[in-house]
Amino acid sequence: NAGVTQTPKFQVLKTGQSMTLQCAQDMNHNSMYWYRQDPGMGLRLIYYSASEGTTDKGEVPNGYNVSRLNKREFSLRLESAAPSQTSVYFCASSEQLATGELFFGEGSRLTVL
Amino acid sequence: AQSVTQLDSQVPVFEEAPVELRCNYSSSVSVYLFWYVQYPNQGLQLLLKYLSGSTLVKGINGFEAEFNKSQTSFHLRKPSVHISDTAEYFCAVSDLRNTPLVFGKGTRLSVIA
Repeated sequence: NAGVTQTPKFQVLKTGQSMTLQCAQDMNHNSMYWYRQDPGMGLRLIYYSASEGTTDKGEVPNGYNVSRLNKREFSLRLESAAPSQTSVYFCASSEQLATGELFFGEGSRLTVL
Repeated sequence: AQSVTQLDSQVPVFEEAPVELRCNYSSSVSVYLFWYVQYPNQGLQLLLKYLSGSTLVKGINGFEAEFNKSQTSFHLRKPSVHISDTAEYFCAVSDLRNTPLVFGKGTRLSVIA
């Protein structure tokens, strides 16, 4: 009963390097999300996908790209990492956008040096 | 657009004492309201939700919240806290307009033995 699985759990990058955070859910949910969590800032939405084939910007999309690969998978890419992107990233999914319960992964801690 | 304000960033409380975590929202339309809990080094999980009906909502681990439409509040309460309740608590709102949940910045509850 995996729920939402994120990889990797930890990553250290140098400024300018690229990487992709992977997320997969096994609950047949339509909607998926990427958030970042920083001290004192709460959770901020980066991108979301209301359904397979669609993606939309959230509150803080600059510096990120996403791909909804299929209904199960939603990846987040940093093309050229910056120290300001040091954060904990959470993937989440829900049956429908906004009205349903969100299920979260355990988080990916990214440090950009 | 809707917004959520959690009035206290940190709440220390002694074990077995009551606690109230405050949440106010702003929206011009009907809303769904949620409280999520995040234990250290974990993702968020749903504590309770208000969709419609009774304004007093009971959740897991003895928590409850009351929806007050006139005061646009959804405060979380527990009559007697335990050490294991130490966590960060997030209030969230949906305005049912097919947009993602909006989260507050969180309240860190510290239960002192």
